[in-house]
Amino acid sequence: DQQVKQNSPSLSVQEGRISILNCDYTNSMFDYFLWYKKYPAEGPTFLISISSIKDKNEDGRFTVFLNKSAKHLSLHIVPSQPGDSAVYFCAASPQMNAGNMLTFGGGTRLMVKP
Amino acid sequence: KAGVTQTPRYLIKTRGQQVTLSCSPISGHRSVSWYQQTPGQGLQFLFEYFSETQRNKGNFPGRFSGRQFSNSRSEMNVSTLELGDSALYLCASRRSSSQETQYFGPGTRLLVL
Repeated sequence: DQQVKQNSPSLSVQEGRISILNCDYTNSMFDYFLWYKKYPAEGPTFLISISSIKDKNEDGRFTVFLNKSAKHLSLHIVPSQPGDSAVYFCAASPQMNAGNMLTFGGGTRLMVKP
Repeated sequence: KAGVTQTPRYLIKTRGQQVTLSCSPISGHRSVSWYQQTPGQGLQFLFEYFSETQRNKGNFPGRFSGRQFSNSRSEMNVSTLELGDSALYLCASRRSSSQETQYFGPGTRLLVL
């Protein structure tokens, strides 16, 4: 039973446009969410996080939105750049202080075309 | 500041053998977690160590074990290797239990033949 799902395995976007990556979760105990970016042959790199007390968190070109009632979060990248091409994972944790037990989605491969 | 380092980066073993992977966390980080990434199962949590004690364990068989040393370096061991153990094994560290962001190493790619 996948508790964190990324239903789009891949996404292709033109450079300069917005990239929207989606993530759904089923466990209502999750209250802390993170996005990681991963290049081949490297470990995931932390991008941005959000706790359940917020519905939006922004960091430069990256914004994460959380809709708790829908158990849905999304990552917006504006504007998209070719260097953003990578696999993006969303992850969830039941408590902010228990970030060690991250449950990951299956990943979405983002391709940003020049 | 050096990141998380993992050794070896690549490893080939045969079924039935055992393997030990090593992880050195970021300086000052006391928590080390291990994850397994496979094409079929994605990224799955194995276990976490903090101050030389295992605090959490994922849903993996007892063939998977680990330990942490007083300098926070960690090792994980897989005994009686199976073909399905072929995966990328990732280590992540964070400063303490109160810091939420985990920083990942590059991983060790294990191939079991």
